[in-house]
Amino acid sequence: AQKVTQAQTEISVVEKEDVTLDCVYETRDTTYYLFWYKQPPSGELVFLIRRNSFDEQNEISGRYSWNFQKSTSSFNFTITASQVVDSAVYFCALTLDRGSTLGRLYFGRGTQLTVWP
Amino acid sequence: EAGVTQFPSHSVIEKGQTVTLRCDPISGHDNLYWYRRVMGKEIKFLLHFVKESKQDESGMPNNRFLAERTGGTYSTLKVQPAELEDSGVYFCASSQGRAPYNEQFFGPGTRLTVL
Repeated sequence: AQKVTQAQTEISVVEKEDVTLDCVYETRDTTYYLFWYKQPPSGELVFLIRRNSFDEQNEISGRYSWNFQKSTSSFNFTITASQVVDSAVYFCALTLDRGSTLGRLYFGRGTQLTVWP
Repeated sequence: EAGVTQFPSHSVIEKGQTVTLRCDPISGHDNLYWYRRVMGKEIKFLLHFVKESKQDESGMPNNRFLAERTGGTYSTLKVQPAELEDSGVYFCASSQGRAPYNEQFFGPGTRLTVL
């Protein structure tokens, strides 16, 4: 069975602080994809990143960075110099590269990030 | 380009009533997904359409839920009769090609409250 765990339910930081959102996943498949989505107050989920299981290279996009470690089954997300606009719920998700369930996303419970001015 | 739209944004009904949720995917997107988030829990997959065909409906909780996608365009999700545990936010997503190779674009969700 597939499972995604986001142990941090809520995180509060003050603007300009760095913050890391944790994501731990479980799967026995060797080929899979990991995602992060952002849910702002408007409600829709906004895609941030996709990473496949064969690519452990960390990625940086502006103030965002992602650390994928297969050895610990983790795919953590760091926001550097956080801003008020980063306040949102962030979801980590997993999908398998398997025909019958291709595209089906398994989500964690989400982490509510609040950035105070 | 318009994003994924969902209607209504909110629905409050009484137990035993029927509710129909609608999703309009991005034009040209053959793949359409329904998900549900019960308060405080993870977002869970319900089903996946490719055009008008159900590709994977293994996440549908029971036979009170009926999803359709006539003509491969918009989709409806009907709950009949609604129960208290059906309350939650129902999300729709669409992708042009098969995910995960293609990004799923999500709508804002429909918040369903069953009293």
